[in-house]
This record gives sequence, structure tokens and C-alpha cells, in this order.
Amino acid sequence: DTAVSQTPKYLVTQMGNDKSIKCEQNLGHDTMYWYKQDSKKFLKIMFSYNNKELIINETVPNRFSPKSPDKAHLNLHINSLELGDSAVYFCASSQGTGTGELFFGEGSRLTVL
Amino acid sequence: GNSVTQMEGPVTLSEEAFLTINCTYTATGYPSLFWYVQYPGEGLQLLLKATKADDKGSNKGFEATYRKETTSFHLEKGSVQVSDSAVYFCAPTSGGADGLTFGKGTHLIIQP
Repeated sequence: DTAVSQTPKYLVTQMGNDKSIKCEQNLGHDTMYWYKQDSKKFLKIMFSYNNKELIINETVPNRFSPKSPDKAHLNLHINSLELGDSAVYFCASSQGTGTGELFFGEGSRLTVL
Repeated sequence: GNSVTQMEGPVTLSEEAFLTINCTYTATGYPSLFWYVQYPGEGLQLLLKATKADDKGSNKGFEATYRKETTSFHLEKGSVQVSDSAVYFCAPTSGGADGLTFGKGTHLIIQP
């Protein structure tokens, strides 16, 4: 059973489209994150949720909207996709905030054409 | 906020060579320190950690010692294998809700 699972793993789409990535964790953690990894492997946090409440919202275009229906799920919806959105998006979870022990999903590679 | 400086990669070594990947950090307070590893096509996974000065974290033959006086947390392994080829990330905790500040990652390539 995968601890943190993301779907889809690959996503190829046209500019201007809207897409969603889903994430689920079965670890019983109360904190979930979305990270963006660019082509140079640089990781940047986008959002952090604790017990379904948004606690971190980094400087991310408002075309990106996270949603946490419950503690085990954190989805990411992206409107009006742009070329620069092409990246690998990682979901992660942890027990509490500030612990540093994150469990990552395998990533969702988004390619915008 | 925190920041991390890691060696630029790629670092290419032969199998059984000694590995050091340097990491220095700036942080307020007393962060915990982590090394994460990302194998090709996978997400990051925790490799080792140290929570206070002079602590040594170790796992899978890798070691790193929390050096508060030099604000460093260098990763070492005595004899690398081809299977160690991956990207390695040094990360102190930020003390905030975002959990970690990742370095830019060091791509390690081990040749047989």
C-alpha cells in the first residue's frame, strides 16, 4: 500500500486548459504539502495544509488552487495552464508541522504544450 | 529565513570511491538537519537526520554530523555503489509550518 499516492503520474495538456492533480495519504498524518520541482531539480513549497486548514500559501499565481476535503487528501487544481507551469509536482505529508520528516509521493509530471 | 548551500553537481565518482557532499546552512535558532535522497523517477525520501549539535545521523552506509560551529552537515559514504546514483538534498527545518528549506540538490553519478 503506497503511503502517499498521486494521480495522475503524467499529464500532457495544451496551454489554457485546466487540470487537477490528486493526492492521498494513508499514514494518518495531519499536515500535507504541495511542492514544485523544476527542470534543475530545485524544490519550492507551494502550499501547506494542517488539519484541512491552509497554513502556507507561498507566492503562487492564483491560477493554482489547493483543496483539502479531509486530512488524508490534498488536491491541486490549475486554471489556464501556461508553459512555465511545466514541472514535476510533489505531494508530501508529515505528522505535525515543523518536524522535517516528510513523506513524498512519486510526483506528477505536468507538460504544457 | 533559512538557506542552504550545497555542492553544485553533477558529482561523478567510480564505484567504491569515498563520497563527500558538502552542505552549509544559515538558520535562526537550532534547526534539525536532514538529508533527503531522490532516486530517478521517484519522490524524495528521508536518508538521515540529526536533531542537535554533534549528533551523527546514519543510514545505508551514509553519515553526516551536525556541526554547529561551522553550520555544516556534510554527507559522507566510505564506498559508493552504482545504486547510490541519485539527487541528494540537504535541508534544515525552518521552524515554521513549511517544515523544511531544501538546498538545490546535488546530482551524484556513480560509474561502474
